[in-house]
Amino acid sequence: EVQLVESGGGLVQPGGSLRLSCAASGFTFSSLWMSWVRQAPGKGLEWLANMNQDGSEKNYVDSVKGRFTVSRDNAKNSLYLQMNSLRDEDTSIYYCARFTNYHLDVWGQGTTVTVSS
Amino acid sequence: QSALTQPRSVSGSPGQSVAISCTGTSSDVGGYNYVSWYQQHPGKAPKLMISDVNKRPSGVPDRFSGSKSGNTASLTISGLQAEDEADYYCCSFAGSLYVFGTGTKVTVL
Repeated sequence: EVQLVESGGGLVQPGGSLRLSCAASGFTFSSLWMSWVRQAPGKGLEWLANMNQDGSEKNYVDSVKGRFTVSRDNAKNSLYLQMNSLRDEDTSIYYCARFTNYHLDVWGQGTTVTVSS
Repeated sequence: QSALTQPRSVSGSPGQSVAISCTGTSSDVGGYNYVSWYQQHPGKAPKLMISDVNKRPSGVPDRFSGSKSGNTASLTISGLQAEDEADYYCCSFAGSLYVFGTGTKVTVL
């Protein structure tokens, strides 16, 4: 079964850091681009970043550029999102998703990040 | 990187058809045939319903269809069913980046 499972969410103070993980299974992780998407409480989806198969190409939305870093470990079938300088407005559910031919065809269940003092 | 514009809500009775519009610019929707649509039920992860403007992934009912004209893409649900009540989001390639729509709540009356 194709599956993505996020972890690492939690409560963090403004200015703090957090690292999210996404464990992939059921498909050849190393062959595909991957993405991160978030959803603030009661709000819509926001595409954050994607990364190619070997990590040599990464793209970020302006709102997280310079603060968030996406990475992957193909040996561990895992995708990561390092989030620094967190702000109140980063409070969201964070989803990882498999990126196939310009669309997101498999999504994880999400992990919740709350930024609050 | 402004969000694509969708109506806040649409509604219809069971068996009717509803259409959701998704308006962008020539830099996103109008510039590429890479518009996808996602369905999200409350408390659940989004699910891909349409890719590449009008392609239905395996397992998606054929009552869901997509189209595009100029800078506006559309998702049509024909023969509306109770389980179609959900939020729907469009998403477009915008030249190395992607942008989602504002989201539309579909209510089945």
